[in-house]
Amino acid sequence: DTGVSQDPRHKITKRGQNVTFRCDPISEHNRLYWYRQTLGQGPEFLTYFQNEAQLEKSRLLSDRFSAERPKGSFSTLEIQRTEQGDSAMYLCASSASGTEVYRYGYTFGSGTRLTVV
Amino acid sequence: KNEVEQSPQNLTAQEGEFITINCSYSVGISALHWLQQHPGGGIVSLFMLSSGKKKHGRLIATINIQEKHSSLHITASHPRDSAVYICAVRYGGSQGNLIFGKGTKLSVKP
Repeated sequence: DTGVSQDPRHKITKRGQNVTFRCDPISEHNRLYWYRQTLGQGPEFLTYFQNEAQLEKSRLLSDRFSAERPKGSFSTLEIQRTEQGDSAMYLCASSASGTEVYRYGYTFGSGTRLTVV
Repeated sequence: KNEVEQSPQNLTAQEGEFITINCSYSVGISALHWLQQHPGGGIVSLFMLSSGKKKHGRLIATINIQEKHSSLHITASHPRDSAVYICAVRYGGSQGNLIFGKGTKLSVKP
C-alpha cells in the first residue's frame, strides 16, 4: 500500500469551470476526510465518509461543492462554477474507525493545489 | 467556539538547538495530533496523544489534559527539521473531523 494518493497534484482552472479531485485512501481504512488549506492557515475540515456514507459536512462546504465515495473506496470532490476564493490546497486523509483510530491515527495525502484564475 | 492555538507562529533556530512548540485548546478532547508539513503540501503524522508523553527519535510530544496544553520538542535540531508543525485535536463530541491550529513555521539554520 502506497499510502493516501491524491490526483492531480496541481490544477489551474479558469473561474466558472468545474473541477474534480480524486483521493485513494489506504485500502484498510474505512474513513476518508477532505480538508481545505489556504495559505498561512491550518487545514479546515470539509467533510468525511465512513465507508460510502457521508456522515459529516462542514458549513464551509457550499452547494457548489459535492463529495462522493460511491463504493467506499476512492472519493471524489467536485467544485462547480469555481471562484477565485476556492484557490487552496485540498487535502485528503484516511483512518480506521472506532478504537483503531486511536491506535493508528490519520494518514494524509500530499494534497491537490487548486489555482483559480 | 473550539479553538486550537499554537505558539510561536514562526521560529528560527540554529542547528543543534532544543526547540519547543506549544499548543493549547479550549475544551475536552479525545486525541491530539502533531503533524509536519513540508513545502509542497504533504502532511506527515508525527504523534497522536491522549495522555502523557511519546518519543520518536529526536522528537518528544507531551500533553497535559488538565491544563489543555501540549508541547512538541525537537532535540539537536537539524536543517532538515525545517517545516511547518501543526497541532490538531479531535474533540470528544466530534465523530470524525480534526480541528487544526495555524501551524508553527520552523526554520533551522546550519
